[in-house]
Amino acid sequence: DTGVSQNPRHKITKRGQNVTFRCDPISEHNRLYWYRQTLGQGPEFLTYFQNEAQLEKSRLLSDRFSAERPKGSFSTLEIQRTEQGDSAMYLCASSFGAGYTDTQYFGPGTRLTVL
Amino acid sequence: GDSVTQMEGPVTLSEEAFLTINCTYTATGYPSLFWYVQYPGEGLQLLLKATKADDKGSNKGFEATYRKETTSFHLEKGSVQVSDSAVYFCALTTYGNNRLAFGKGNQVVVIP
Repeated sequence: DTGVSQNPRHKITKRGQNVTFRCDPISEHNRLYWYRQTLGQGPEFLTYFQNEAQLEKSRLLSDRFSAERPKGSFSTLEIQRTEQGDSAMYLCASSFGAGYTDTQYFGPGTRLTVL
Repeated sequence: GDSVTQMEGPVTLSEEAFLTINCTYTATGYPSLFWYVQYPGEGLQLLLKATKADDKGSNKGFEATYRKETTSFHLEKGSVQVSDSAVYFCALTTYGNNRLAFGKGNQVVVIP
């Protein structure tokens, strides 16, 4: 069990550019989550997949954000036309099971800086 | 909606001191409660959890008891070490809602 991995770990981009992040969950975990964390705050939920189906999206996820999880394995989060306000740590988590008591295991995050 | 409130400000204490971090919550349904810890340069790790009222979660000398009557899940450790220096987050999920709702976190600094 290698844990949740995220790539890249750091991304610096210019305003208006598109960026894509990847998350590889723990093997056989059926649920995958994306969160965003800004400095001094707790993580905020963005979206959630069960297998390949995207079941829930936060209102924080504007039209510029899109997430996919093809084949129910890894996931990508794309941000189009980045803005300075998108600068944050993007966290991925995964869990196994069908209940709300299941533990979510987090990756190390991708830190995005928009210049 | 669901929300978690943690006490304001960082916590600085000496090695072997007693640590308490307060956490209270508001939940639309029956919550499960979690404490996550973030060590410097590392990702969030689950520290402990409790899934029903009066349950006590414990790990690495830390404890927290799910108090439904006071809607609280305070974190305690009897004797902290320098290695406990980290940011601690209280969080919850509720039935039918798989998202974790986090508090703002508390920076804990333990001085030798």
